[in-house]
Amino acid sequence: GAGVSQTPSNKVTEKGKYVELRCDPISGHTALYWYRQSLGQGPEFLIYFQGTGAADDSGLPNDRFFAVRPEGSVSTLKIQRTERGDSAVYLCASSLSGSGANVLTFGAGSRLTVL
Amino acid sequence: AQSVTQLDSQVPVFEEAPVELRCNYSSSVSVYLFWYVQYPNQGLQLLLKYLSGSTLVKGINGFEAEFNKSQTSFHLRKPSVHISDTAEYFCAVSSSASKIIFGSGTRLSIRP
Repeated sequence: GAGVSQTPSNKVTEKGKYVELRCDPISGHTALYWYRQSLGQGPEFLIYFQGTGAADDSGLPNDRFFAVRPEGSVSTLKIQRTERGDSAVYLCASSLSGSGANVLTFGAGSRLTVL
Repeated sequence: AQSVTQLDSQVPVFEEAPVELRCNYSSSVSVYLFWYVQYPNQGLQLLLKYLSGSTLVKGINGFEAEFNKSQTSFHLRKPSVHISDTAEYFCAVSSSASKIIFGSGTRLSIRP
């Protein structure tokens, strides 16, 4: 696609529910990143994929968070037993490769609100 | 581990005045440095980047930044700001084959 697409753009859920957030990266980009941005903060790294595998998942806050990229393109971030503290904008970005020199192209984000 | 510190959370300036947004980083290896901008109700986009070579890099919209290895800084500057520069600016650091770490951001507000 022309840009990074994220769905849904907004998600309101209740505490304890399960949520999936989807990211469709730019075609041909092998690296895909997930960040979380809370109000007034910078993007906080969660996980990045090189192809189908998670190259670095050190930013996932706990085992309620999980992400997959089964075919090396679309990725899904999964959050189990959501908590109010999970409320944030979840950003996805992609780049040509996993080199730190590459520029990230960001999607518009998925705003998650946990009531 | 790498980290980024943006010393000012908010910077108010008058239109047509110069501005400097400060960024300091910490890393034990060679780094790549970036400034990203987030305009109101828009996604993050690249403003400029330093990979190697000349320490003064120029970006879009008249912005420039200077890499100072001895001071571990990468401050962003513009000689004359415009209302349209109102945005949040994020400094970021990475190294080869590593994740990109962002600072907490500086909100630039322009007064007419």
